[in-house]
Amino acid sequence: AQSVTQPDIHITVSEGASLELRCNYSYGATPYLFWYVQSPGQGLQLLLKYFSGDTLVQGIKGFEAEFKRSQSSFNLRKPSVHWSDAAEYFCAVGPPPSNAGNMLTFGGGTRLMVKP
Amino acid sequence: DGGITQSPKYLFRKEGQNVTLSCEQNLNHDAMYWYRQDPGQGLRLIYYSQIVNDFQKGDIAEGYSVSREKKESFPLTVTSAQKNPTAFYLCASSGQSGGPQHFGDGTRLSIL
Repeated sequence: AQSVTQPDIHITVSEGASLELRCNYSYGATPYLFWYVQSPGQGLQLLLKYFSGDTLVQGIKGFEAEFKRSQSSFNLRKPSVHWSDAAEYFCAVGPPPSNAGNMLTFGGGTRLMVKP
Repeated sequence: DGGITQSPKYLFRKEGQNVTLSCEQNLNHDAMYWYRQDPGQGLRLIYYSQIVNDFQKGDIAEGYSVSREKKESFPLTVTSAQKNPTAFYLCASSGQSGGPQHFGDGTRLSIL
């Protein structure tokens, strides 16, 4: 069965500091990996996705993620955090792109707080 | 602009009452999904539909029902059999090419 683990429930960083959010997955085939962000009371917005190619993926809002197959990880990073980055972040895994929709399994989320 | 519209934003349910949450998309996506989100938890799949007039149960379908009569619409009914319906409900859709899921802004359901 597929699963996603986000080990850190809460993370607090100072504005301007670097950020890394961890994501470990379990999936029996080549995974299709995603990071989403959710502001309070809102839906999820896609930050970036990875299926193949360069293992360092660039996303929106200055975020990037690195796929490491040997570690089953897909960690999200940002060099300098802004106060507006405070939100909840979700990692998700799904099957390779196909015509059968895209069933995702989500991690439990990491809530990011940013100190001024 | 294309997107997913969920309504209402807030909904209150009385004891023994069924309520229906609306989800409409104009992205021309074939697949649609309903998730439940509880405080501090991730998303749990309630139902999904990959094509019109067809849908499947997700991980927590008990106490919920759906229909998919049109490609654009995937309403969720929370029935009186769902004893703990208070949650944030999210609707999503994805295209035929298996691209990422796009989400609506959610409906928060509470008990009166």
